[in-house]
Amino acid sequence: GENVEQHPSTLSVQEGDSAVIKCTYSDSASNYFPWYKQELGKRPQLIIDIRSNVGEKKDQRIAVTLNKTAKHFSLHITETQPEDSAVYFCAAPESSGNTGKLIFGQGTTLQVKP
Amino acid sequence: KAGVTQTPRYLIKTRGQQVTLSCSPISGHRSVSWYQQTPGQGLQFLFEYFSETQRNKGNFPGRFSGRQFSNSRSEMNVSTLELGDSALYLCASSPVRTYEQYFGPGTRLTVT
Repeated sequence: GENVEQHPSTLSVQEGDSAVIKCTYSDSASNYFPWYKQELGKRPQLIIDIRSNVGEKKDQRIAVTLNKTAKHFSLHITETQPEDSAVYFCAAPESSGNTGKLIFGQGTTLQVKP
Repeated sequence: KAGVTQTPRYLIKTRGQQVTLSCSPISGHRSVSWYQQTPGQGLQFLFEYFSETQRNKGNFPGRFSGRQFSNSRSEMNVSTLELGDSALYLCASSPVRTYEQYFGPGTRLTVT
């Protein structure tokens, strides 16, 4: 089955700086990679995802890049703001085609200092 | 559309008791997955139901069980509660044949 590793576990940046969180996966057949943001006391929210047939996807200040050869994908947040402070999780399906089971990374706590 | 809802939001139970949690998916979503979230273990997959059938199962003991009804609402049950079952239990729903999962607010279970 799939194994997802996420780094770093904590990240502190100054407002306006960029933040990068990286995840590696083990199953080369994996084809879907979502990122979730979980604010304190709230539910995880899907903020961006990427499929294996593209290398990069952007949505305003956030972007995700995928390197299939190296089996890693990264979340990039530019011009960080205090409201970006949250725990971010990456994930991948347990196996290709298995749409019901996601394997999550351990999470990254991002702190944006004003 | 209304989002995923879960009831109750908070529960306090005693060791040895059992508990039932409920999840109502987004209208039209037929898949419901359950996850346990703890500070030490992160988000761990419990099971997934689709069309009233368990389609996936995680590595949890048999004390954890679930079911899904014809209207796609799902319940999970934990019997003989242990202190280590204290966690946030999240359900997520998905449309048919997609990977996207949308989470509910969770049920915070405390076992004393």
